[in-house]
Amino acid sequence: DARVTQTPRDKVTEMGQEVTMRCQPILGHNTVFWYRQTMMQGLELLAYFRNRAPLDDSGMPKDRFSAEMPDATLATLKIQPSEPRDSAVYFCASGLGQRNTEAFFGQGTRLTVV
Amino acid sequence: LAKTTQPISMDSYEGQEVNITCSHNNIATNDYITWYQQFPSQGPRFIIQGYKTKVTNEVASLFIPADRKSSTLSLPRVSLSDTAVYYCLVMDTGRRALTFGSGTRLQVQP
Repeated sequence: DARVTQTPRDKVTEMGQEVTMRCQPILGHNTVFWYRQTMMQGLELLAYFRNRAPLDDSGMPKDRFSAEMPDATLATLKIQPSEPRDSAVYFCASGLGQRNTEAFFGQGTRLTVV
Repeated sequence: LAKTTQPISMDSYEGQEVNITCSHNNIATNDYITWYQQFPSQGPRFIIQGYKTKVTNEVASLFIPADRKSSTLSLPRVSLSDTAVYYCLVMDTGRRALTFGSGTRLQVQP
């Protein structure tokens, strides 16, 4: 059963620490999305990649967030330094192509910054 | 931006048909309409997608009028397990990626 895998599932860290979240997209999918969900803002698109190239990262705070795809099987989202306002659930999703709107979401990483 | 508007919440009872309508007045000619479902503590899950007229799958039906400025997700005979948030999306022409709105929180009661 193909699925998007995210690690860790939960992360508690202190303010100022670096946080790295990882995502393994479904094999063969060429598009990877990063979303953040909070009660106040809902689901926000942070960035997305197609064929490992970043297409849009305008939703990310550039000074502290970075997203990469070292290879086709791994996407990373890094926050450095982390702040309490970064506390949220971060979802990775993968899909196929520009016109296909069916994206498969992972279970998310629940981040708490204290 | 192709913005969507849908009710914040809806209540229903088991066995009833639920229709959730979404408006998307600025939908682009080539954009598709997509609906997702999200349960608590889980990522959103694709339900159905359409371009015009009617689409049906094992989970739901999607009705899209000719002007495509709105769409209606129809859930036949809901059960308690259909309690979730339902999102209506259109392709974000500015960013070429799915943009989620606030969604409709459906509560199904016994």
